[in-house]
Amino acid sequence: RKEVEQDPGPFNVPEGATVAFNCTYSNSASQSFFWYRQDCRKEPKLLMSVYSSGNEDGRFTAQLNRASQYISLLIRDSKLSDSATYLCVVGPGTTDSWGKLQFGAGTQVVVTP
Amino acid sequence: SQTIHQWPATLVQPVGSPLSLECTVEGTSNPNLYWYRQAAGRGLQLLFYSVGIGQISSEVPQNLSASRPQDRQFILSSKKLLLSDSGFYLCAWLSYQGVSYEQYFGPGTRLTVT
Repeated sequence: RKEVEQDPGPFNVPEGATVAFNCTYSNSASQSFFWYRQDCRKEPKLLMSVYSSGNEDGRFTAQLNRASQYISLLIRDSKLSDSATYLCVVGPGTTDSWGKLQFGAGTQVVVTP
Repeated sequence: SQTIHQWPATLVQPVGSPLSLECTVEGTSNPNLYWYRQAAGRGLQLLFYSVGIGQISSEVPQNLSASRPQDRQFILSSKKLLLSDSGFYLCAWLSYQGVSYEQYFGPGTRLTVT
């Protein structure tokens, strides 16, 4: 079983609509969770850190469910510029201080006019 | 502010040739540094990480090696490239935010082995 699993998509979303997708992780001791955005042929860029049950940043909302070991990302009022691959990233338990992260393979989102 | 540089941006190398990719970080001292590889259509694979000068940990066995000759310099090398070494190589550094942390990536090097 992979450490971090994501639906690869693509999720085709009309402009202005809402899209949500999940990511599951296997290490119940994980303490840090992130969403990164990766544009085609570019480096991943940090979108949000998720350190508690969830947080919101503008049109983006991340939720963490520790009991079921999944993280979700919701994008409201989708813009064409939101088209990208969204990477779910999970950090180790607190005893590991090296910051080794586990990356999902990504969920592709395509926002259409 | 901190910035991370990688070069070259793109590279085409024949099988069996050597490789040297460089990563440098500015604006921070003693950072944790990481090398990742992303194969086409795949997730990021952690190759090496370093917590200080001369300290390298390898995550996967392969024909690649890493070195950290200076505090803010991280180098990825190979003596003889394989076709399977093609991919997008990303260097990253760790920014501590109190008790939490975040990882930031350089622009990457796209390597094609022919």
